[in-house]
Amino acid sequence: DQQVKQNSPSLSVQEGRISILNCDYTNSMFDYFLWYKKYPAEGPTFLISISSIKDKNEDGRFTVFLNKSAKHLSLHIVPSQPGDSAVYFCAASPYAGNNRKLIWGLGTSLAVNP
Amino acid sequence: KAGVTQTPRYLIKTRGQQVTLSCSPISGHRSVSWYQQTPGQGLQFLFEYFSETQRNKGNFPGRFSGRQFSNSRSEMNVSTLELGDSALYLCASSLGTVASPLHFGNGTRLTVT
Repeated sequence: DQQVKQNSPSLSVQEGRISILNCDYTNSMFDYFLWYKKYPAEGPTFLISISSIKDKNEDGRFTVFLNKSAKHLSLHIVPSQPGDSAVYFCAASPYAGNNRKLIWGLGTSLAVNP
Repeated sequence: KAGVTQTPRYLIKTRGQQVTLSCSPISGHRSVSWYQQTPGQGLQFLFEYFSETQRNKGNFPGRFSGRQFSNSRSEMNVSTLELGDSALYLCASSLGTVASPLHFGNGTRLTVT
């Protein structure tokens, strides 16, 4: 049973528009969330994270929103660029001190069209 | 700063054989985690090593094992290979604290025939 769900396997947007990638989770013990981007033939690259004490975190064109009551987070990319075309993974971690055991979604493939 | 290096990039093995994969973390990183990626299951956590000790483990059978050396380099071993072990194996290093992100290598693509 997937504890972290990315219900959209793929998403297509026009260059310059906003990309919104969604992620739902079921485990209320998750308290730290991360987004990673993955290009073909490469490992995932860390994008942005958020802890459960916040509801928003921004880094340049990337913003992550967390709605704990809905157990939902989203990644906004504004404006979207062709180089953003990749697979985006949402990951969550329960509080466990310094131990890190990430639970991953299956990914959403984003295509940004010029 | 050099990134995470995984060797080899590609590997083809036969059922029943064993395989060892290697991971060199980013300099200064003491935590190394291993993940298995398959199309249907996504990224699944295998185990994490910190300062030569396994401090976290996923739900994989005992055929999957690992170790970490004093220089933080890590190896993962899979014995008695099965067809279902065909996957991309990713290694990630980090400083090991809860807020430090994982830095991934490009993976080892294992094919079991």
